Amino acid sequence: EAGVAQSPRYKIIEKRQSVAFWCNPISGHATLYWYQQILGQGPKLLIQFQNNGVVDDSQLPKDRFSAERLKGVDSTLKIQPAKLEDSAVYLCASSPGTGFGNTEAFFGQGTRLTVV
Amino acid sequence: AQSVTQLDSQVPVFEEAPVELRCNYSSSVSVYLFWYVQYPNQGLQLLLKYLSGSTLVKGINGFEAEFNKSQTSFHLRKPSVHISDTAEYFCAVSPISGYSTLTFGKGTMLLVSP
Repeated sequence: EAGVAQSPRYKIIEKRQSVAFWCNPISGHATLYWYQQILGQGPKLLIQFQNNGVVDDSQLPKDRFSAERLKGVDSTLKIQPAKLEDSAVYLCASSPGTGFGNTEAFFGQGTRLTVV
Repeated sequence: AQSVTQLDSQVPVFEEAPVELRCNYSSSVSVYLFWYVQYPNQGLQLLLKYLSGSTLVKGINGFEAEFNKSQTSFHLRKPSVHISDTAEYFCAVSPISGYSTLTFGKGTMLLVSP
Protein backbone atom coordinates (compact mmCIF):
# COMPACT_ATOMS: atom_id res chain seq x y z
CA GLU A 1 0.00 0.00 0.00
CA ALA A 2 1.43 3.35 -1.01
CA GLY A 3 1.94 5.80 1.83
CA VAL A 4 1.24 9.51 2.11
CA ALA A 5 3.25 11.34 -0.52
CA GLN A 6 4.51 14.87 -0.05
CA SER A 7 6.48 17.18 -2.29
CA PRO A 8 8.84 18.84 -2.38
CA ARG A 9 10.99 17.30 0.36
CA TYR A 10 13.00 20.45 0.85
CA LYS A 11 12.43 24.10 -0.03
CA ILE A 12 14.47 27.23 0.62
CA ILE A 13 12.89 30.61 -0.06
CA GLU A 14 13.47 34.22 0.87
CA LYS A 15 11.13 35.98 3.26
CA ARG A 16 8.10 37.57 1.62
CA GLN A 17 8.15 34.99 -1.17
CA SER A 18 5.34 32.49 -1.60
CA VAL A 19 5.56 28.70 -1.47
CA ALA A 20 3.22 25.74 -1.94
CA PHE A 21 3.34 22.19 -0.64
CA TRP A 22 1.51 19.23 -2.06
CA CYS A 23 0.12 16.14 -0.35
CA ASN A 24 -1.36 12.98 -1.83
CA PRO A 25 -3.01 10.92 0.93
CA ILE A 26 -3.50 7.18 1.01
CA SER A 27 -6.25 6.17 -1.38
CA GLY A 28 -9.67 6.15 0.20
CA HIS A 29 -8.69 8.08 3.31
CA ALA A 30 -11.37 10.60 4.15
CA THR A 31 -9.47 12.71 6.64
CA LEU A 32 -6.39 14.76 5.82
CA TYR A 33 -4.29 16.80 8.22
CA TRP A 34 -1.55 19.39 7.83
CA TYR A 35 0.81 19.81 10.76
CA GLN A 36 3.62 22.31 11.31
CA GLN A 37 6.67 21.03 13.20
CA ILE A 38 9.08 23.74 14.29
CA LEU A 39 12.53 22.57 15.34
CA GLY A 40 12.49 21.43 18.95
CA GLN A 41 8.71 21.30 19.17
CA GLY A 42 6.00 18.76 18.61
CA PRO A 43 3.80 18.91 15.53
CA LYS A 44 0.99 21.45 15.68
CA LEU A 45 -2.22 21.03 13.70
CA LEU A 46 -2.76 23.68 11.06
CA ILE A 47 -5.85 22.35 9.32
CA GLN A 48 -7.98 19.21 9.16
CA PHE A 49 -10.16 18.20 6.21
CA GLN A 50 -12.95 15.65 6.18
CA ASN A 51 -13.29 14.76 2.51
CA ASN A 52 -13.12 18.23 0.93
CA GLY A 53 -14.62 20.14 3.85
CA VAL A 54 -12.65 21.92 6.57
CA VAL A 55 -13.23 20.50 10.05
CA ASP A 56 -10.69 22.51 12.03
CA ASP A 57 -8.52 25.42 10.93
CA SER A 58 -8.43 27.29 14.22
CA GLN A 59 -4.63 27.36 14.34
CA LEU A 60 -4.06 28.26 10.70
CA PRO A 61 -2.65 31.82 10.31
CA LYS A 62 -5.22 32.76 7.71
CA ASP A 63 -3.60 36.07 6.82
CA ARG A 64 -0.77 34.17 5.14
CA PHE A 65 -1.61 30.47 5.05
CA SER A 66 -4.23 28.81 2.88
CA ALA A 67 -5.07 25.21 2.11
CA GLU A 68 -7.44 23.37 -0.13
CA ARG A 69 -8.37 19.79 -0.82
CA LEU A 70 -9.75 19.42 -4.27
CA LYS A 71 -12.27 16.62 -4.88
CA GLY A 72 -11.52 15.27 -1.43
CA VAL A 73 -8.21 13.77 -2.49
CA ASP A 74 -4.97 15.76 -2.96
CA SER A 75 -4.27 18.83 -0.91
CA THR A 76 -2.07 21.90 -1.22
CA LEU A 77 -0.86 24.19 1.54
CA LYS A 78 0.29 27.67 0.57
CA ILE A 79 2.17 30.38 2.42
CA GLN A 80 2.10 33.92 1.05
CA PRO A 81 4.11 35.87 2.06
CA ALA A 82 6.52 33.72 4.06
CA LYS A 83 8.15 34.89 7.28
CA LEU A 84 11.31 33.68 8.95
CA GLU A 85 9.26 32.01 11.69
CA ASP A 86 7.57 29.80 9.09
CA SER A 87 10.76 27.74 8.85
CA ALA A 88 9.59 24.28 9.87
CA VAL A 89 8.74 20.82 8.64
CA TYR A 90 5.23 20.61 7.22
CA LEU A 91 3.71 17.18 7.74
CA CYS A 92 0.70 15.79 5.97
CA ALA A 93 -1.24 12.87 7.43
CA SER A 94 -4.31 10.93 6.38
CA SER A 95 -6.75 8.64 8.12
CA PRO A 96 -9.68 6.54 6.95
CA GLY A 97 -11.89 7.60 9.85
CA THR A 98 -12.95 10.73 11.64
CA GLY A 99 -10.88 10.19 14.72
CA PHE A 100 -7.85 8.44 16.06
CA GLY A 101 -9.59 5.92 18.26
CA ASN A 102 -10.63 3.29 15.80
CA THR A 103 -8.29 4.18 12.98
CA GLU A 104 -4.66 5.09 12.53
CA ALA A 105 -3.29 8.21 10.95
CA PHE A 106 -0.41 7.78 8.55
CA PHE A 107 2.16 10.53 8.12
CA GLY A 108 4.16 11.58 5.10
CA GLN A 109 7.89 12.33 5.27
CA GLY A 110 7.25 16.04 5.40
CA THR A 111 8.49 19.10 3.57
CA ARG A 112 11.31 20.98 5.25
CA LEU A 113 10.92 24.71 4.62
CA THR A 114 13.74 27.14 5.29
CA VAL A 115 12.95 30.85 5.03
CA VAL A 116 16.03 33.07 4.76
CA ALA B 1 -8.37 21.74 25.35
CA GLN B 2 -5.58 19.25 25.79
CA SER B 3 -1.89 19.61 26.57
CA VAL B 4 0.98 17.14 26.71
CA THR B 5 4.19 17.50 28.70
CA GLN B 6 7.26 15.45 27.95
CA LEU B 7 9.57 16.15 30.82
CA ASP B 8 12.84 15.19 29.14
CA SER B 9 13.98 16.77 25.92
CA GLN B 10 16.84 14.32 25.60
CA VAL B 11 17.56 10.91 27.14
CA PRO B 12 21.01 9.39 26.61
CA VAL B 13 21.32 5.68 27.31
CA PHE B 14 23.73 2.86 26.60
CA GLU B 15 22.79 -0.01 24.33
CA GLU B 16 20.99 -2.90 26.09
CA ALA B 17 20.04 -0.69 29.04
CA PRO B 18 16.40 -0.09 29.99
CA VAL B 19 14.77 3.24 29.25
CA GLU B 20 11.67 5.16 30.31
CA LEU B 21 10.39 8.23 28.47
CA ARG B 22 7.96 10.25 30.54
CA CYS B 23 4.69 11.78 29.40
CA ASN B 24 2.01 13.64 31.34
CA TYR B 25 -1.15 15.10 29.92
CA SER B 26 -3.94 17.47 30.83
CA SER B 27 -7.45 17.35 29.40
CA SER B 28 -10.98 18.38 30.36
CA VAL B 29 -12.42 15.47 28.34
CA SER B 30 -11.61 11.81 28.01
CA VAL B 31 -8.75 11.12 25.64
CA TYR B 32 -6.96 8.40 23.79
CA LEU B 33 -3.18 8.28 24.27
CA PHE B 34 -0.45 7.62 21.73
CA TRP B 35 3.28 7.33 21.29
CA TYR B 36 4.82 8.10 17.91
CA VAL B 37 8.43 7.69 16.78
CA GLN B 38 10.21 9.84 14.24
CA TYR B 39 13.45 8.60 12.72
CA PRO B 40 15.74 11.18 11.10
CA ASN B 41 14.27 12.71 7.96
CA GLN B 42 11.20 10.54 8.16
CA GLY B 43 7.55 10.99 9.06
CA LEU B 44 5.88 9.93 12.27
CA GLN B 45 5.18 6.26 12.88
CA LEU B 46 2.72 4.95 15.46
CA LEU B 47 4.41 2.94 18.23
CA LEU B 48 1.38 2.17 20.36
CA LYS B 49 -1.90 3.58 21.59
CA TYR B 50 -4.20 3.30 24.59
CA LEU B 51 -7.92 3.33 23.90
CA SER B 52 -9.43 1.40 26.81
CA GLY B 53 -9.05 -1.78 28.84
CA SER B 54 -5.71 -2.97 30.17
CA THR B 55 -3.56 -0.05 31.23
CA LEU B 56 -0.41 -1.76 29.97
CA VAL B 57 -0.13 -1.43 26.23
CA LYS B 58 2.40 -3.23 24.08
CA GLY B 59 3.61 -1.75 20.83
CA ILE B 60 6.05 -2.37 18.04
CA ASN B 61 9.81 -2.84 18.44
CA GLY B 62 9.50 -4.09 22.04
CA PHE B 63 8.09 -0.87 23.47
CA GLU B 64 5.31 -0.73 26.02
CA ALA B 65 3.51 2.03 27.88
CA GLU B 66 1.40 2.20 31.00
CA PHE B 67 -1.60 4.46 31.40
CA ASN B 68 -2.04 5.91 34.90
CA LYS B 69 -5.28 7.85 35.12
CA SER B 70 -4.74 9.21 38.62
CA GLN B 71 -1.37 10.63 37.67
CA THR B 72 -2.46 11.51 34.13
CA SER B 73 0.66 9.83 32.81
CA PHE B 74 1.50 7.55 29.91
CA HIS B 75 5.18 6.66 30.24
CA LEU B 76 6.95 4.67 27.52
CA ARG B 77 9.37 1.91 28.43
CA LYS B 78 11.70 -0.58 26.81
CA PRO B 79 13.67 -3.15 28.83
CA SER B 80 16.67 -3.23 26.50
CA VAL B 81 17.35 -0.61 23.82
CA HIS B 82 19.25 -0.95 20.57
CA ILE B 83 21.27 1.55 18.59
CA SER B 84 18.46 1.53 16.04
CA ASP B 85 16.05 2.95 18.64
CA THR B 86 17.80 6.31 18.40
CA ALA B 87 15.00 8.65 17.33
CA GLU B 88 12.60 11.34 18.51
CA TYR B 89 9.60 10.07 20.47
CA PHE B 90 6.35 12.00 20.73
CA CYS B 91 3.53 11.49 23.16
CA ALA B 92 0.11 12.62 21.93
CA VAL B 93 -3.54 12.69 22.99
CA SER B 94 -6.80 12.83 21.09
CA PRO B 95 -10.34 13.46 22.36
CA ILE B 96 -12.47 10.34 22.30
CA SER B 97 -15.52 11.86 20.67
CA GLY B 98 -16.17 13.86 17.57
CA TYR B 99 -13.80 14.94 14.85
CA SER B 100 -10.60 14.45 16.72
CA THR B 101 -7.02 15.31 16.11
CA LEU B 102 -3.72 14.78 17.86
CA THR B 103 -2.14 17.17 20.34
CA PHE B 104 1.56 16.41 20.63
CA GLY B 105 4.18 16.95 23.29
CA LYS B 106 7.48 18.58 22.38
CA GLY B 107 9.21 15.26 21.97
CA THR B 108 12.05 13.35 23.64
CA MET B 109 15.20 12.55 21.74
CA LEU B 110 16.43 9.07 22.67
CA LEU B 111 20.16 8.75 22.08
CA VAL B 112 21.47 5.20 22.28
CA SER B 113 25.22 4.75 22.33
CA PRO B 114 27.33 1.58 22.25
